[in-house]
Amino acid sequence: KNQVEQSPQSLIILEGKNCTLQCNYTVSPFSNLRWYKQDTGRGPVSLTIMTFSENTKSNGRYTATLDADTKQSSLHITASQLSDSASYICVVTSGYSTLTFGKGTMLLVSP
Amino acid sequence: ETGVTQTPRHLVMGMTNKKSLKCEQHLGHNAMYWYKQSAKKPLELMFVYSLEERVENNSVPSRFSPECPNSSHLFLHLHTLQPEDSALYLCASSQGSGSTNTEAFFGQGTRLTVV
Repeated sequence: KNQVEQSPQSLIILEGKNCTLQCNYTVSPFSNLRWYKQDTGRGPVSLTIMTFSENTKSNGRYTATLDADTKQSSLHITASQLSDSASYICVVTSGYSTLTFGKGTMLLVSP
Repeated sequence: ETGVTQTPRHLVMGMTNKKSLKCEQHLGHNAMYWYKQSAKKPLELMFVYSLEERVENNSVPSRFSPECPNSSHLFLHLHTLQPEDSALYLCASSQGSGSTNTEAFFGQGTRLTVV
């Protein structure tokens, strides 16, 4: 069964600090992995997409990594801002175009 | 603004009511989706429409009835819902449901409460 596990479930950090969110998956065959940011009461918005051959990709202060061998991905947020407070969702697409969503990590950046 | 608009943003309905959720996309996409997001659970795919034809129906109870009159509009008709159906309902669109690099653009969702 395809599964996406995210950790931690929730995280509180001080403004300006860095943090790393984890995503482990068992989706097969693997096609790509996306990280979405979902602000409270809004729909998810894509941050990055990573395919099998990509190890790291950056989008501003967000850097995603992918290890296809261990089936792990991480999202690193640098110099956090209050606006980074949101739920971060890892979504893996299979080779059959099915999407499997993780439960998300709730990040709170405090002043 | 993602180009996908959902109305209403909030809805409270009784178990005997009939209501409809509306989704409209201005992106020229040809695929539209309904997702359900319950508290502390991952997003669950409910329905997929590609070129106005339903291509996927993930064992959703018949009290949820989708309608896609054209490629820009998607409805979810609700009747005789249960309290456990209370959730955030998200609409999304994409260009081509078969492409593995397709990105789904989400609306802001309808927060549904069934009383």
